[in-house]
Amino acid sequence: QLHLQESGPGLLKSSETLSLTCTVSGDSIRSSTYFWGWVRQFPGGGLEWIGSIYYSGSTYYNPSLKSRVTMSVDTSKNRLSLRVNSVTAADTAVYYCTTHPTISAPCFSWGQGTRVTVSS
Amino acid sequence: SSVLTQPPSVSVAPGETARITCGGNIVAAKSVHWYQQKAGQAPVLVMFYDDDRPSGIPERFSGSSSGNTATLIITRVEAGDEADYYCQVWDGRSDPSYVFGTGTKVTVL
Repeated sequence: QLHLQESGPGLLKSSETLSLTCTVSGDSIRSSTYFWGWVRQFPGGGLEWIGSIYYSGSTYYNPSLKSRVTMSVDTSKNRLSLRVNSVTAADTAVYYCTTHPTISAPCFSWGQGTRVTVSS
Repeated sequence: SSVLTQPPSVSVAPGETARITCGGNIVAAKSVHWYQQKAGQAPVLVMFYDDDRPSGIPERFSGSSSGNTATLIITRVEAGDEADYYCQVWDGRSDPSYVFGTGTKVTVL
């Protein structure tokens, strides 16, 4: 069974770069079965899709975040990474790693999430 | 970008039926997915492509879509159904993106 585990710094300051990883177990990140994605949830509860990446490296980013976001996969460690540049307090959220079989399909699997707080 | 509007809250007595709506222009053209999120937990997919139910989700959960509105229906509501529910659509137009609804808190009275 697929298991996703996010990890990150927890707390960072405005203007810094957020780096998160999602370690995948139960299947290979090189599997053609999945797109690997990131979704975040703000303190008020709203959900926002950040982006998705295919094992080949093809990426799809939320247009509103595209200029600050980079996603990548590390096949040797079976994990994916998310970088968000120039963070502000508005980036404070719980960040989830997800999977979906096609780019338009729903997110069938979710990690438990990692909380990120950006302080000024 | 597309907007998906949900009622902030729905209250329902145990054994009754809860209906959660998701409205937006994009709904008329795209399939809608639904997630349930219980307090302190990650979202869980409960309905996809309007009316398909993932394995393990009770038959009490069903979905429909007509025009600009999709609906998640929970019959014979139980206390364990109390959660936040979110709809989601893939907007593959000019700037492709997943869009989430505003979320609905379902309270079981």
